Amino acid sequence: AQSVAQPEDQVNVAEGNPLTVKCTYSVSGNPYLFWYVQYPNRGLQFLLKYITGDNLVKGSYGFEAEFNKSQTSFHLKKPSALVSDSALYFCAVRDSDTGRRALTFGSGTRLQVQP
Amino acid sequence: ETGVTQTPRHLVMGMTNKKSLKCEQHLGHNAMYWYKQSAKKPLELMFVYSLEERVENNSVPSRFSPECPNSSHLFLHLHTLQPEDSALYLCASSQDRGGSTDTQYFGPGTRLTVL
Repeated sequence: AQSVAQPEDQVNVAEGNPLTVKCTYSVSGNPYLFWYVQYPNRGLQFLLKYITGDNLVKGSYGFEAEFNKSQTSFHLKKPSALVSDSALYFCAVRDSDTGRRALTFGSGTRLQVQP
Repeated sequence: ETGVTQTPRHLVMGMTNKKSLKCEQHLGHNAMYWYKQSAKKPLELMFVYSLEERVENNSVPSRFSPECPNSSHLFLHLHTLQPEDSALYLCASSQDRGGSTDTQYFGPGTRLTVL
């Protein structure tokens, strides 16, 4: 079975400071990991994904994520937060062993960037 | 968000009504998905279609009936819904290459309220 956890309901950070949104996962095979962002009254927008290769993945809007196999984590990071980054962030996983097309999503983390 | 469009954006219906949600993808993808997003719950997969064939059905009540007439269009037919079915219904599409690494792209969602 595939599962993902986002341990923080909300993360608060000051504008200009680095931000981290945490995600851990559980799969039986190899993990395919995704980050999405959701702005109010909008659908989910794809930020980045890890399939294989370099553990540091760069994505849209200056975001990056680091895959750590030993800690089964895929934390989202940005060196300098913007107020416009305030949104709901979802981590998602797909297990290479299941053959399923569906993603399993975490419960989401609300990022609040204060000016 | 012009890649995947959903109509209507908002829908209010009574429990005895019959309505349909429409999704259209302009990305040339061959797989489409329905997800349900309720308050304080992770996104739940409802249905997956690949090459117009339903390939996953996540134990969804029969009052929700999907239809995929071609690879660009996906419908969700609703009848005799319950108030607890009120949620944001998200459509997504991807290019399914059979390797589980494809990225899903989401539409803006339909906000459904059942009275």
